[in-house]
Amino acid sequence: DIQMTQSPSSVSASIGDRVTITCRASQNIGSGLGWYQQKPGKAPKLLMSAASSLQSGVPSRFSGSASGTDFTLTISSLQPEDFATYYCQQAARVPLTFGGGTKVYIK
Amino acid sequence: VQLLESGGGLVQPGGSLRLSCVASGFPFSAYAMTWVRQAPGKGLEWVSGISESGGSRFYVDSVEGRFTISRDNSKNTLYLQMNNLRAEDTAVYYCVKEMGGRHYFDYWGQGTPVTVSS
Repeated sequence: DIQMTQSPSSVSASIGDRVTITCRASQNIGSGLGWYQQKPGKAPKLLMSAASSLQSGVPSRFSGSASGTDFTLTISSLQPEDFATYYCQQAARVPLTFGGGTKVYIK
Repeated sequence: VQLLESGGGLVQPGGSLRLSCVASGFPFSAYAMTWVRQAPGKGLEWVSGISESGGSRFYVDSVEGRFTISRDNSKNTLYLQMNNLRAEDTAVYYCVKEMGGRHYFDYWGQGTPVTVSS
């Protein structure tokens, strides 16, 4: 199975800060990575597919990049509605697997 | 797009439950579907997936042989039959639509809670 290692597990940030979350795959997954945002008590929401393809309606302050088996989600200027937990997910091979999550807190 | 799950509840270890998910707002038979679960206070775990026609089914190792995914395209409904339930199966179970041709999850139901406890 492909393991997804996500870091950090939590980050404290202020409004306007730049936040970076990293996900490392245990095997080559090409660009087969998605990012999700989950708010408390709600279902996750797909932000990005194929490592850097923004879903319709997702603000452009969210961006994604890839380098080998390392993937990054960047929020360029954190907004109040961005405080949530973020998950990466590899879409290359069954069983599909998620990272452990990164909780973004208000500083 | 709407995905409406039902069938969750409290069950004793070793018991069974069948989850259902009624889909609307998209051509159900044209998309693969998936169940994802989330244990209390924990992260997301993919549980099982099924192809558009139902001919291909996949499971995470921990549920293989105990859970069965199925679909009825005439009723726009996805199912998860869960047998021999264990305490570690306690979670919110989400019905999820996959993007066309790719294993990304673009629409999620509200989730149905399953609690396995004596």
